[in-house]
Amino acid sequence: EAEVAQSPRYKITEKSQAVAFWCDPISGHATLYWYRQILGQGPELLVQFQDESVVDDSQLPKDRFSAERLKGVDSTLKIQPAELGDSAMYLCASSFSGANYGYTFGSGTRLTVV
Amino acid sequence: AQKITQTQPGMFVQEKEAVTLDCTYDTSDQSYGLFWYKQPSSGEMIFLIYQGSYDEQNATEGRYSLNFQKARKSANLVISASQLGDSAMYFCAHGSGNTGKLIFGQGTTLQVKP
Repeated sequence: EAEVAQSPRYKITEKSQAVAFWCDPISGHATLYWYRQILGQGPELLVQFQDESVVDDSQLPKDRFSAERLKGVDSTLKIQPAELGDSAMYLCASSFSGANYGYTFGSGTRLTVV
Repeated sequence: AQKITQTQPGMFVQEKEAVTLDCTYDTSDQSYGLFWYKQPSSGEMIFLIYQGSYDEQNATEGRYSLNFQKARKSANLVISASQLGDSAMYFCAHGSGNTGKLIFGQGTTLQVKP
């Protein structure tokens, strides 16, 4: 069964350091999403890509977060500098062209900032 | 704006009994979908069931069924014959038919007692 691949699975970083997460969506899925989930809450969308273009980054803290999907396939989410409040689960998902059909999440990256 | 409300922070159920997890939503979309996900302590989001706004019949997937009442804007999840492995956090989510963006509720923690 096709999966959304994410790495690393766990990451511990010190405050003010840079950290990056990687996501490889299911082949053929044009839409890619990054969600952040703070412990005890539901996930919230950070950024949405349609192919290589950003279509929604309204909730992305752009002073420290950046996301790219250069060739419209895999994607990288970066935080620089990391803050204690960034500790969370970062989930990547993909779907067919922004539709609800085929929506699939990866296993996530659990970030701890110390 | 879309909003999902899950009013049950925690639920208990006896093994082999049925349980209903509540979900109400608010939306301005004509076309949308409603999802239920299970999230065990390991953190991955496991897709359970999907209901499209135009689907006339309630969705079912094995032991999971979705009680969709469009006029009341509710989409409750029913788990029949609960198993110990069902103990987890459960999230209801609204999917925009236009963008694919998911809006999640705060979740319900389900504990199955032996």
